Amino acid sequence: DTGVSQDPRHKITKRGQNVTFRCDPISEHNRLYWYRQTLGQGPEFLTYFQNEAQLEKSRLLSDRFSAERPKGSFSTLEIQRTEQGDSAMYLCASSSKGGGRVSYEQYFGPGTRLTVT
Amino acid sequence: KQEVTQIPAALSVPEGENLVLNCSFTDSAIYNLQWFRQDPGKGLTSLLLIQSSQREQTSGRLNASLDKSSGRSTLYIAASQPGDSATYLCAVSRETSGSRLTFGEGTQLTVNP
Repeated sequence: DTGVSQDPRHKITKRGQNVTFRCDPISEHNRLYWYRQTLGQGPEFLTYFQNEAQLEKSRLLSDRFSAERPKGSFSTLEIQRTEQGDSAMYLCASSSKGGGRVSYEQYFGPGTRLTVT
Repeated sequence: KQEVTQIPAALSVPEGENLVLNCSFTDSAIYNLQWFRQDPGKGLTSLLLIQSSQREQTSGRLNASLDKSSGRSTLYIAASQPGDSATYLCAVSRETSGSRLTFGEGTQLTVNP
């Protein structure tokens, strides 16, 4: 157990619906990351926060995607008007300078598996 | 743009063998490199992290090396066990500290009893 939790673990939705995922990082970690992973591929970076500030967004994060971390603790990732191509595993990770064995080591949660029908 | 390649894509070995997984990256301006393990349908478990100034890290039966100038890393697994069967992923972060990880596609390892 890495300490990062994600909810829900699985989500099935119909095309066009909105979905929201939650990530709770390791409590002392100030950085939080979102990645997306499709079958047989490595994870791809979506966005990351330092405290409540969103510092970087990937071009993969289209305008249908939005992420927040309002109080610098948990984060939500919302996908509006879902498409079948959004089907993937959404992974959350957290890190902190000195919070892991070595600076900025990223610890991952179990992921949320999204299926869009 | 950083690209990470892992070879081989899949590997099947008998129990007890020592094995090496390879990772290469195109941009040597990295901050650190992490090796992860992923079981089917699960999240990622961090195995080892090597800072850009380091040459290797060891944890139990695992040893990871880094040659930053040539853009290569290897993960050595000694005395493999069936429980080591998983996908192993290599990832690098950019020289800007604490930023995004760029992953390879992984090596799927099967250790046969």
